[in-house]
Parts: sequence; C-alpha cells; structure tokens
Amino acid sequence: SAVISQKPSRDICQRGTSLTIQCQVDSQVTMMFWYRQQPGQSLTLIATANQGSEATYESGFVIDKFPISRPNLTFSTLTVSNMSPEDSSIYLCSVAAGEGEKLFFGSGTQLSVL
Amino acid sequence: GESVGLHLPTLSVQEGDNSIINCAYSNSASDYFIWYKQESGKGPQFIIDIRSNMDKRQGQRVTVLLNKTVKHLSLQIAATQPGDSAVYFCAEKGGSYIPTFGRGTSLIVHP
Repeated sequence: SAVISQKPSRDICQRGTSLTIQCQVDSQVTMMFWYRQQPGQSLTLIATANQGSEATYESGFVIDKFPISRPNLTFSTLTVSNMSPEDSSIYLCSVAAGEGEKLFFGSGTQLSVL
Repeated sequence: GESVGLHLPTLSVQEGDNSIINCAYSNSASDYFIWYKQESGKGPQFIIDIRSNMDKRQGQRVTVLLNKTVKHLSLQIAATQPGDSAVYFCAEKGGSYIPTFGRGTSLIVHP
C-alpha cells in the first residue's frame, strides 16, 4: 500500500484567485493522478502527473487551468487557477501501487469558491 | 430498499442485515475490477478486487461477485454495521492503466 498526505484538507477561496494542492507519497511511485469529485458525483480524472515530463490531461481539462508539477517520484502539486464557483469540488490525489496496480487515494481537498 | 435520487443511488439497511451493492460496467474488455469505500470527508479506500478469470472472491465480511455475461459486479457486505455507512464505488480496468469509476452507491446503515 501507499500512504498519501494531501494538503490543504479544505479551503475557501475568492473568485479569480488560485490554489495549489500538494500531494506527498511515502514511497516512490511512477504514476500519480489528480481527480475531481463534484458533490454527489463519481471521480473524474483530471490528469496523470508524469515525473520528468508534462502532465497528460483528460478531455475537458487544460494545463492553463490546472497546471501540475511532478518534481520527483514522491511529490506532486495541482493548481486550480483563476477559480470560479464552478470549481468548488473535492480534489483527490492518487497513486498506482501494489499488485494489480490498484489506486490509493489521499484524503482529498474540499475547495469552496465564493 | 434501493432508490435512485437526484445524485447517488441510496441503499438503506438495518444493522445486522446483509447488504448487496450492484454495479453495471460497460467495457467487455475490462479484466480487473475494484471496489472502493468512501466515508464522508475522506478519500476512497480499497476494499476488494477481482480479476476477470474469477467469478467470486471473498474478504473479511465482504464478497465480490462478477458476472461477465451480463457485465455485472456486486459487493456483498455481511452483518452490516453502522461503520459501513459510506459511498461505495466500483471501478473497472481494461487495457488502460487508469480505472474507470462507476457512479457510486450511498449505503446507509440504521442502528
């Protein structure tokens, strides 16, 4: 298994500002993922954070809005830029580890944009 | 009973009863399936997984059943406890290294 520390756990932000979410893993992992979970909904993949190269974004998500850093094999950040109320959601960091490459998740960041 | 609300389907059970949470998957090429439990304010936690060469797998108080013919997955929880109250997600993987998550079911356990 992998232990993932994600912070902040929650934040309330003003429209037009940006928030950077940090994700720290207790072991080196090749793949890290960022998900969004809107209220009462399932998990939607934003992007795959690749160490040493640019992140791979899913349809509907762009680098200018969600820039991602992956400086090493244990750490990644996701920035939510120029926020609007529609960005209010839970953002989750995840890593693939172990047999079967099951995903392990951080505790999430509850973001509210006013 | 089970109902479909505006958001997540909800399953309400009495403490001590057995719970069955269902999931229909879409990709016939999926060969690996996972169940996650998400408690309020937390990230999803792995519960149990099953590969497509099996039709049943048991864990502690949980059993996953896979019916590839009708592309159906179920999670059975024996002797449901209040601590089992959470949202349960199924996920499927096939080819891609990234799983696809189902809609989720909210399980409410009444003492």
